[in-house]
Amino acid sequence: GAGVSQTPSNKVTEKGKYVELRCDPISGHTALYWYRQSLGQGPEFLIYFQGTGAADDSGLPNDRFFAVRPEGSVSTLKIQRTERGDSAVYLCASSSSTITDTQYFGPGTRLTVL
Amino acid sequence: AQTVTQSQPEMSVQEAETVTLSCTYDTSESDYYLFWYKQPPSRQMILVIRQEAYKQQNATENRFSVNFQKAAKSFSLKISDSQLGDAAMYFCAYRSSHQGGSEKLVFGKGTKLTVNP
Repeated sequence: GAGVSQTPSNKVTEKGKYVELRCDPISGHTALYWYRQSLGQGPEFLIYFQGTGAADDSGLPNDRFFAVRPEGSVSTLKIQRTERGDSAVYLCASSSSTITDTQYFGPGTRLTVL
Repeated sequence: AQTVTQSQPEMSVQEAETVTLSCTYDTSESDYYLFWYKQPPSRQMILVIRQEAYKQQNATENRFSVNFQKAAKSFSLKISDSQLGDAAMYFCAYRSSHQGGSEKLVFGKGTKLTVNP
């Protein structure tokens, strides 16, 4: 596919459960970003990967949130012991290099924690 | 830390007319990038236009243009000949261009644009 894809499109879970959200970046893009968008707000940065390593994870709200990108392509955002406040749209973006290149976004995963 | 402010939660425009969306930002950096993204109900953020702070010339993309006032830290988006398909949330975003700095985008809260037929 030509764009960033995210799965699942929607995820409903119960409080306390574990969830994984997946992002497939544009082929060849080395940089990958996760953002969280709460209702009525702009996206907020969570974490940024350059290749396989997390170059900036300053936006992760607490240690229940973790993300990996083991082969430098697909990334998974993992949330443990979900809370109702984690309900949001989780957006993934990728770019071909740092600094100069535009970030291209996927359609997001809407997470609902009951 | 950088902040981005969009003071208009909602705006409306008649089809074929022109509308301007406002954005101000705060930064101590001299070089950076500014963006306008469009988010339709499908949720996918789509880049509308981008401006490098070191460029004095305002960016334009077809019906979309910006008014970049660096000293005032203002970055407004003008949409000319508005079309029904322009209806969406519009987000202003900032990114540092400092090498080794954060790659993250800092977004405003958005402006919901309605286009009336």
